[in-house]
Amino acid sequence: KQEVTQIPAALSVPEGENLVLNCSFTDSAIYNLQWFRQDPGKGLTSLLLIQSSQREQTSGRLNASLDKSSGRSTLYIAASQPGDSATYLCAVRRGSQGNLIFGKGTKLSVKP
Amino acid sequence: IAGITQAPTSQILAAGRRMTLRCTQDMRHNAMYWYRQDLGLGLRLIHYSNTAGTTGKGEVPDGYSVSRANTDDFPLTLASAVPSQTSVYFCASRAGATGELFFGEGSRLTVL
Repeated sequence: KQEVTQIPAALSVPEGENLVLNCSFTDSAIYNLQWFRQDPGKGLTSLLLIQSSQREQTSGRLNASLDKSSGRSTLYIAASQPGDSATYLCAVRRGSQGNLIFGKGTKLSVKP
Repeated sequence: IAGITQAPTSQILAAGRRMTLRCTQDMRHNAMYWYRQDLGLGLRLIHYSNTAGTTGKGEVPDGYSVSRANTDDFPLTLASAVPSQTSVYFCASRAGATGELFFGEGSRLTVL
């Protein structure tokens, strides 16, 4: 059974720092991996999607990497801002018709 | 603006009452999902539908039912609500080409 773990559960950093959020999964046979952002009381917003054949994806200050063999993905946030404060979730899909399995998220707080 | 619309946004319900949470998408995605999100437990899949006319059970289906009469709508019904169904419910749809998942803003349900 696929399990997705995100460590740490919470992280607080000063504004301007570069930071890395971690996601690990137990079954390396994934179809894709997706990173989301969730603001308090809101739905999930898709940030980056990495297909199993890809090693990384970039969007603005965000860069997500994927290492299937080690069962790990990282989300790199450059030059963090207070507006980046949110909970970040990763999720993996086993097959093209499979369902997403979510981690419990990392709650990020960026202090001005 | 294309996306997923959920209704109601929030609802307080007496135990034993029947409740239907509505979900409509205008992206013509075939696959749709219902999740519940609870503190400490993360997002858990209730039911899904890979295409109109078909549905499947997720991780926590008991007490819930769904239907998929057409591509756009995917309602979730609680036949007889219980307090343990107090949660935030999210509807999502999946883009066929990329497998990317998109979420609605959620329905906060309190069962007393």
